[in-house]
Amino acid sequence: ETGVTQSPTHLIKTRGQQVTLRCSSQSGHNTVSWYQQALGQGPQFIFQYYREEENGRGNFPPRFSGLQFPNYSSELNVNALELDDSALYLCASSRRDRGETQYFGPGTRLLVL
Amino acid sequence: GESVGLHLPTLSVQEGDNSIINCAYSNSASDYFIWYKQESGKGPQFIIDIRSNMDKRQGQRVTVLLNKTVKHLSLQIAATQPGDSAVYFCAELMEYGNKLVFGAGTILRVKS
Repeated sequence: ETGVTQSPTHLIKTRGQQVTLRCSSQSGHNTVSWYQQALGQGPQFIFQYYREEENGRGNFPPRFSGLQFPNYSSELNVNALELDDSALYLCASSRRDRGETQYFGPGTRLLVL
Repeated sequence: GESVGLHLPTLSVQEGDNSIINCAYSNSASDYFIWYKQESGKGPQFIIDIRSNMDKRQGQRVTVLLNKTVKHLSLQIAATQPGDSAVYFCAELMEYGNKLVFGAGTILRVKS
C-alpha cells in the first residue's frame, strides 16, 4: 500500500451543496494530483498542485478548486454539486522534481442525490 | 487528441496461464508509461513503468513491452493467480509530468 491517505471514504450530498475532500501525500512527495473516476471508466485528471500552486488543470469547470498546504497535503473543493459529480475521487502524490510516477490513495466515493 | 485505449475490455484466463493485456496510445511524444491495477473499491496500484528509451522492462511476474513504431504497450503477467483479478489500466504521463491520461481499462478474470 502507498502512504497516501484520503478522507472521508464515503460521502453523500445533495445537488447544489458544496463538498471538501482531503488528501495526505506520501512521505517525501511534494506534488498532489486529483482525479475523478466515474463508474466503469478510467480516472480523469482534474488538476495538480505543486509548491502550493495549481500546476496544470484538466477539462473541469471552475467550481472544482483546490489547495495545497505547506506540509504538501491537499484539499479538493467542489461547489454547486451536480448529479454527474457522483464518482470516486482519487488523490495521487509524487515528487515532481524527480519526474517520478504518481501513487494513488484509496479514494473518496461521492454520491450526489 | 490525446487518448490511451485498450483493445480488450475483458480478459478471462485460467489460473496458471500467462495473461497479456494490450494498450494503444496516440501521443508519439509521450516518454513515460505506467500500468496500474485497480481492485474493487480501491485506488489504482502501481505495477510497473517504462520510459520511451526502453523496449522492455521486467518486474516480479510482470513484463511491460513498448513498441513505439506502432504506439503499442502491453502488460504480460506470468502464471496468473486469482489475486491478479482486477481492472488494469495503462496510463501515459503528459504535459511535463503533471497529467496521467488513462485508458478505459481491461477487466482480468482468473478462473480457478
